[in-house]
Amino acid sequence: GAGVSQTPSNKVTEKGKYVELRCDPISGHTALYWYRQSLGQGPEFLIYFQGTGAADDSGLPNDRFFAVRPEGSVSTLKIQRTERGDSAVYLCASSLQGAGANVLTFGAGSRLTVL
Amino acid sequence: LAKTTQPISMDSYEGQEVNITCSHNNIATNDYITWYQQFPSQGPRFIIQGYKTKVTNEVASLFIPADRKSSTLSLPRVSLSDTAVYYCLVAPRSNDYKLSFGAGTTVTVRA
Repeated sequence: GAGVSQTPSNKVTEKGKYVELRCDPISGHTALYWYRQSLGQGPEFLIYFQGTGAADDSGLPNDRFFAVRPEGSVSTLKIQRTERGDSAVYLCASSLQGAGANVLTFGAGSRLTVL
Repeated sequence: LAKTTQPISMDSYEGQEVNITCSHNNIATNDYITWYQQFPSQGPRFIIQGYKTKVTNEVASLFIPADRKSSTLSLPRVSLSDTAVYYCLVAPRSNDYKLSFGAGTTVTVRA
């Protein structure tokens, strides 16, 4: 596609529920990233994929968070047993390896609200 | 990653030039300076990147002095649509994913 697509744009769930957030990167972009942005703060790194593998998942806050990218394109961020503190905008970005340092194309984000 | 400091907010009027200065005193030799712009309900958007001296594109100019301990993003003749949060990032080319955004500078342009 023309840009990074994220679905759903908004998700409201109850504490303890399971949530999946989907990211469809720009076609041909081998690198994919997930960030989380809380109200009034800048985005914070969660995980980075190069192809199908997670090259760096050091930003995932705990083992309730997991992400996959089975075919090296679409990625899904999965959150188990959601907590109110998980409420945030989850941003996905992709980049073409070698196109330029620190140049990521972000999607509009998925706003997660945990009641 | 080098720590950056930028103003929390700035106000301006349509047609004026807006200059946002970012301090990065402990910038490393292989660090690049990158600026992103974020509108409400959107993800950040890359604006400009530089290593030294001056870089200009269709959106903005980036001024970097010789000591590279600060940088200034210049937005010429702003319009209401330039109201956004602007982030200054400093990181080496090899670290092109684990970006540290900070809180950014909220620029409000008034009519």
